[in-house]
Amino acid sequence: DAKTTQPNSMESNEEEPVHLPCNHSTISGTDYIHWYRQLPSQGPEYVIHGLTSNVNNRMASLAIAEDRKSSTLILHRATLRDAAVYYCILSGDSNYQLIWGAGTKLIIKP
Amino acid sequence: EPEVTQTPSHQVTQMGQEVILRCVPISNHLYFYWYRQILGQKVEFLVSFYNNEISEKSEIFDDQFSVERPDGSNFTLKIRSTKLEDSAMYFCASSEIMGFYEQYFGPGTRLTVT
Repeated sequence: DAKTTQPNSMESNEEEPVHLPCNHSTISGTDYIHWYRQLPSQGPEYVIHGLTSNVNNRMASLAIAEDRKSSTLILHRATLRDAAVYYCILSGDSNYQLIWGAGTKLIIKP
Repeated sequence: EPEVTQTPSHQVTQMGQEVILRCVPISNHLYFYWYRQILGQKVEFLVSFYNNEISEKSEIFDDQFSVERPDGSNFTLKIRSTKLEDSAMYFCASSEIMGFYEQYFGPGTRLTVT
């Protein structure tokens, strides 16, 4: 079973910020938090990852709770192209055998 | 921007036939992976490959599956005797460093077994 919990879907308006939550209450000290997204009919795409501190890159920001039991992916200004399924995934010692959940389907309204 | 490519985009085969799915990873990447996604279901890890060896594989990756890097650019997944339940999207990925960090995925090959 997936070790993360995400809402099934979320809606947001174009050009507004989007906050995608992820709960991972059983995260261990060595688990990294990864976010990938999958646009319709495409392969997954790396978004961002982090361990303890908040992270920023050109695509998004990752805010990690102090107790690391939850995190939030922030898209600062959503565009129609950001409509995708967003996956929050933990990786631990076995970095390869990851469990992809169902993710959050993000719907962007023009 | 460099990208992972996969061929063919769609492969139709009959049950029991062998198929080879091809991938060209990003040129400076050293770690390669195969995943599959049955229609409407979750992405599933199959295998990882480094230095001409399998690093890790899942329970799905049984004796019917094999991977190979036949030359300096291609990375292939072979299914020896396809079953109906092998119908899925197969994604190749590569990364510069070991692990799940910043894996770059190809567009996938849709395999249909009839």
